[in-house]
Amino acid sequence: DARVTQTPRDKVTEMGQEVTMRCQPILGHNTVFWYRQTMKQGLELLAYFRNRAPLDDSGMPKDRFSAEMPDATLATLKIQPSEPRDSAVYFCASGLGPGTSEGEQFFGPGTRLTVL
Amino acid sequence: SQQGEEDPQALSIQEGENATMNCSYKTSINNLQWYRQNSGRGLVHLILIRSNEREKHSGRLRVTLDTSKKSSSLLITASRAADTASYFCATRGLTGGGNKLTFGTGTQLKVEL
Repeated sequence: DARVTQTPRDKVTEMGQEVTMRCQPILGHNTVFWYRQTMKQGLELLAYFRNRAPLDDSGMPKDRFSAEMPDATLATLKIQPSEPRDSAVYFCASGLGPGTSEGEQFFGPGTRLTVL
Repeated sequence: SQQGEEDPQALSIQEGENATMNCSYKTSINNLQWYRQNSGRGLVHLILIRSNEREKHSGRLRVTLDTSKKSSSLLITASRAADTASYFCATRGLTGGGNKLTFGTGTQLKVEL
């Protein structure tokens, strides 16, 4: 049963600390998305990758957020330093690129981040 | 800003009734998708309708698309308590962005026994 996995599922940290969230996309998927969901802003696209290359990270605060794909099976989202306003649920989703899919995305269970 | 705006924001119905949710969007699209999110979980893809399609069915789901009005509706027939969730529309643009989706604000559906 192929699914996107995310770790950790829950993270509580103090302001100023570094936070790293990890995502394992579905094997064979070449597109990975990072979203942030809050009650106030809804679901926001932070960044996405195709074939491990960043395509768009315009939704991400550049000064503190960074996203990478060290290899095809791992995507990471880092926040350094973290702030209380970063508290949210962070979702990773994966899918296939244009030409091989119509854009359906498969979401992980999310990482609930609380910054105190 | 959100491409899709869902209406209503919240909907409460009795089990067995039909639930209708609407989505409006702003720019031309390649396709429109509906996702469901159960509380504390990730989003799950439900159904996709292409811009040249007007209606699509999948089980108890019926989706319509009116590109002239830039709107779509999701109908869930004979609702069940297990349908309680948030429902989001998402649009795939015509050009650029590859398979990037823009999600709406969501409708919270509560189905009561």
